[in-house]
Amino acid sequence: DAGITQSPRYKITETGRQVTLMCHQTWSHSYMFWYRQDLGHGLRLIYYSAAADITDKGEVPDGYVVSRSKTENFPLTLESATRSQTSVYFCASSESRNSPLHFGNGTRLTVT
Amino acid sequence: DQQVKQNSPSLSVQEGRISILNCDYTNSMFDYFLWYKKYPAEGPTFLISISSIKDKNEDGRFTVFLNKSAKHLSLHIVPSQPGDSAVYFCAASGRSGAGSYQLTFGKGTKLSVIP
Repeated sequence: DAGITQSPRYKITETGRQVTLMCHQTWSHSYMFWYRQDLGHGLRLIYYSAAADITDKGEVPDGYVVSRSKTENFPLTLESATRSQTSVYFCASSESRNSPLHFGNGTRLTVT
Repeated sequence: DQQVKQNSPSLSVQEGRISILNCDYTNSMFDYFLWYKKYPAEGPTFLISISSIKDKNEDGRFTVFLNKSAKHLSLHIVPSQPGDSAVYFCAASGRSGAGSYQLTFGKGTKLSVIP
């Protein structure tokens, strides 16, 4: 099915561990994004990518690493997870800068 | 510094009446505005958008109004239905201070439509 999928849906990890959240889209959209959603903050942009091999920081990039070797994949890595990174993470894609974003269903990450 | 503000965390409306969700922004570089709707355990879904060259855009029961001088936009839902109960996010797009483009979201307003 066409769309944007995130995996895993739920993840529990320990402080200090590395964890990677996966995002895959089948539309061949140029733009891809990672947001985190926290109570009292809404959706905040972590990183985005305008095309393969082009990434840029968003509002809250510290502690995260992204890569985009293929147009359809945009993994997000927490190199050393901290409790403050407990959140719901949403991946999104769009065809162009002003096209609406299409979101995945999110990954709920808990760091203990 | 919050650039997109949704000052009402929640709103309750009777079924059949109008729902009005408000959003204010501070960045004059924003030139494109969107509303997203989010149900629990799902990702946000696009609802309606408006470019800064317009002051109104309508799609069925949903209308977005933009007042550039006041840096204010609103989403009207008429008539409201129980299925409209969700969290609504206002978002704005424009050139960031670094020269790149970012989509900035408000904190959301939880709409409850009472049957």
